[in-house]
Amino acid sequence: KAGVTQTPRYLIKTRGQQVTLSCSPISGHRSVSWYQQTPGQGLQFLFEYFSETQRNKGNFPGRFSGRQFSNSRSEMNVSTLELGDSALYLCASSLNAGAGKTQYFGPGTRLLVL
Amino acid sequence: ILNVEQSPQSLHVQEGDSTNFTCSFPSSNFYALHWYRWETAKSPEALFVMTLNGDEKKKGRISATLNTKEGYSYLYIKGSQPEDSATYLCAPGDTGGFKTIFGAGTRLF
Repeated sequence: KAGVTQTPRYLIKTRGQQVTLSCSPISGHRSVSWYQQTPGQGLQFLFEYFSETQRNKGNFPGRFSGRQFSNSRSEMNVSTLELGDSALYLCASSLNAGAGKTQYFGPGTRLLVL
Repeated sequence: ILNVEQSPQSLHVQEGDSTNFTCSFPSSNFYALHWYRWETAKSPEALFVMTLNGDEKKKGRISATLNTKEGYSYLYIKGSQPEDSATYLCAPGDTGGFKTIFGAGTRLF
């Protein structure tokens, strides 16, 4: 099976712009979670989608949003970019949602905001 | 689960030495705990999922134990090799919902 894919892999934006990141899960996986990693920080949970519904959201401002499509692919959008949004964004897919799920991570999108 | 602590933050071991590190989490409402390994320039990969108090898991030279009553898990690496260099993340989940909280990790080099 193909693994989790994320596009684009690298992105440079300027403050105030918006960005959309894409994640394609492993075939058959219905849950997609998004994480942000900044230097010196662990993986910070953004949100999780399961069967097109957002199941949980982390402590991020409303500028961060996401959605999931019927084929389980997910997109994450960040509007009005700030310098502090520069980070590695990882998505992870799993068969099911819930605390016991094993997550399979994509390679990440590295976003640089200038 | 809001507060996950991993110690130490980083650890240097000589090749061949054994080592261990800790993941601490609130013991209430515990459901499961995952360990992941994150090598540089790669994606995090799942090592173990542990659910029962007293669980022990092993994969090659790496093993883990779980104490849900006191809220900690240990990861052991026996006879460290260069390929063990990575950040090891723990991620406990509770019965409350779908959020998985990751610890900050222990960087082994």
